Amino acid sequence: SQKIEQNSEALNIQEGKTATLTCNYTNYSPAYLQWYRQDPGRGPVFLLLIRENEKEKRKERLKVTFDTTLKQSLFHITASQPADSATYLCALVRNNNDMRFGAGTRLTVKP
Amino acid sequence: DGGITQSPKYLFRKEGQNVTLSCEQNLNHDAMYWYRQDPGQGLRLIYYSQIVNDFQKGDIAEGYSVSREKKESFPLTVTSAQKNPTAFYLCASRGRGDLIYSNQPQHFGDGTRLSIL
Repeated sequence: SQKIEQNSEALNIQEGKTATLTCNYTNYSPAYLQWYRQDPGRGPVFLLLIRENEKEKRKERLKVTFDTTLKQSLFHITASQPADSATYLCALVRNNNDMRFGAGTRLTVKP
Repeated sequence: DGGITQSPKYLFRKEGQNVTLSCEQNLNHDAMYWYRQDPGQGLRLIYYSQIVNDFQKGDIAEGYSVSREKKESFPLTVTSAQKNPTAFYLCASRGRGDLIYSNQPQHFGDGTRLSIL
């Protein structure tokens, strides 16, 4: 069966460090992979999209990598700030009607 | 500002009661979705609609119903047949990108938290 795993339920890091979140998948062949941020009691907000033929995508302090051989995406936040504290979700997209979300990793950045 | 509005923010259901969650968007998006979010689980798709007057079941449609009479609106009814309705419900929409949808992100509302009385 299809499985999407995000490395851990929670990740705590110190302000200024780089946060690295992992999204692994099995039995699935995504055309795209998306990352979302979700704050408590709010809906997810789109951050970045990376295609299967792209290795890396950057946006300001965010960087996403996508390795279809390892079936893994890494999401990095450099120079992390307390305001980056949130839950981050990965979503795999195969086609119009097939989009699967991971359970999310709750990131806490401590000052 | 364009966006998705879900109401109410909090909803309580009595046993044997049907309740309806509202979702309205002014983004002019064709596709709309309903998800259920439970602690420790990914978002699970309940129903989706790609065009007015048409909708499809997702992975966990049992105990739920929807309608799509207008492009802007996609209400979800949680029926009494849904025995475990306590969850956070999220509505989303997606626009058309080039010829396919799949490279477009989903835009989410801020959810409705449903609990049993």
